[in-house]
Amino acid sequence: GQNIDQPTEMTATEGAIVQINCTYQTSGFNGLFWYQQHAGEAPTFLSYNVLDGLEEKGRFSSFLSRSKGYSYLLLKELQMKDSASYLCAVRDLEDSSYKLIFGSGTRLLVRP
Amino acid sequence: DTEVTQTPKHLVMGMTNKKSLKCEQHMGHRAMYWYKQKAKKPPELMFVYSYEKLSINESVPSRFSPECPNSSLLNLHLHALQPEDSALYLCASSPSGTSQVGYTFGSGTRLTVV
Repeated sequence: GQNIDQPTEMTATEGAIVQINCTYQTSGFNGLFWYQQHAGEAPTFLSYNVLDGLEEKGRFSSFLSRSKGYSYLLLKELQMKDSASYLCAVRDLEDSSYKLIFGSGTRLLVRP
Repeated sequence: DTEVTQTPKHLVMGMTNKKSLKCEQHMGHRAMYWYKQKAKKPPELMFVYSYEKLSINESVPSRFSPECPNSSLLNLHLHALQPEDSALYLCASSPSGTSQVGYTFGSGTRLTVV
């Protein structure tokens, strides 16, 4: 089976740092993605991890531990515009085809 | 062109209607996807096309019929839908099934079935 877990909601203060965790159990693994989605809009790609370790991209960093089935997204210097849903997604292999399976998403509220 | 374009943006249809959703990309991507998203829920995969061939159907009811006429276009034909099919339908594409750059999503079609 496939199971991807994230906290439902988080609140943080503008200028602070927040870490959004994701744990997964999937039949296969070919990479983990983080997406940002503002209400009523399409998801936008933030980061990709396939090997263990930290990937940094500006104010956003993502970490992966394949042995633990664990990832996190770190957002630094939070801005009000970072209020959005953050989706963890695992790429799995099925019948020789790859598919992206999304977790339930974490709604982040950034307060002044 | 780095976009996935979906039309229409909004669609209201009756349960006896037949309609189609369209998706277009000109990035040379060879994998295309349909997702369904209900309010406050994550996107759920419906179909995967790889090199214009249907490779994954996530047990979607036959009232949803996908079509990939060429490498740039993806359609979703709708017939005899139910009110519970009302949702945001997202199209996405990627260079291939194993791309590291993630999927590019269109802005979606918000479908209401009445």
